[in-house]
Amino acid sequence: GAGVSQSPRYKVAKRGQDVALRCDPISGHVSLFWYQQALGQGPEFLTYFQNEAQLDKSGLPSDRFFAERPEGSVSTLKIQRTQQEDSAVYLCASTGGLAFTYEQYFGPGTRLTVT
Amino acid sequence: QQQVKQSPQSLIVQKGGISIINCAYENTAFDYFPWYQQFPGKGPALLIAIRPDVSEKKEGRFTISFNKSAKQFSLHIMDSQPGDSATYFCAASSRDSNYQLIWGAGTKLIIKP
Repeated sequence: GAGVSQSPRYKVAKRGQDVALRCDPISGHVSLFWYQQALGQGPEFLTYFQNEAQLDKSGLPSDRFFAERPEGSVSTLKIQRTQQEDSAVYLCASTGGLAFTYEQYFGPGTRLTVT
Repeated sequence: QQQVKQSPQSLIVQKGGISIINCAYENTAFDYFPWYQQFPGKGPALLIAIRPDVSEKKEGRFTISFNKSAKQFSLHIMDSQPGDSATYFCAASSRDSNYQLIWGAGTKLIIKP
């Protein structure tokens, strides 16, 4: 079946521009996570949704970062007034019902480059 | 505070050899320990995972060894193949922290033919 998809795959933004990154989770998956992966490093947690509820946003680095999942399926990560330090790969992961919450399945990521 | 420490940073193994990557954690609330494989330009792919109630789990050529008292776990890749060349990440999570994955820094594995 279809996995997690993300779009765009690559995004170049000029410093100060706003960007929106989209995640389509595996159909029926309840939980959705966003992670940020800097070059050569492990991913770092940004935020977590269960259905449409954002239960944890403790990893968002600043108030320029905003995520939503209004209908409990597709999610969008928005970054306002992008800065060079925002350059990274943004990964989305989803998991199934409560019995499978631990196993997270990742999309290919969106590589954001801020110039 | 880095909660999951991974070593080595890079590893070169001959084809057919055993690749071993180690991780140590600090938070005793962690109760799920996955290993992910990541190829350049791709997202991480779940390889194998273990819960702390078992000391070893094997799936094909991949084995996780888990030492709860030492707070350490390792990935063993038997009969390593050039196609295994990738970056490997260990991670940990717990119900207490909404299952968010805390990641190691990664190990770049190169299998020489």
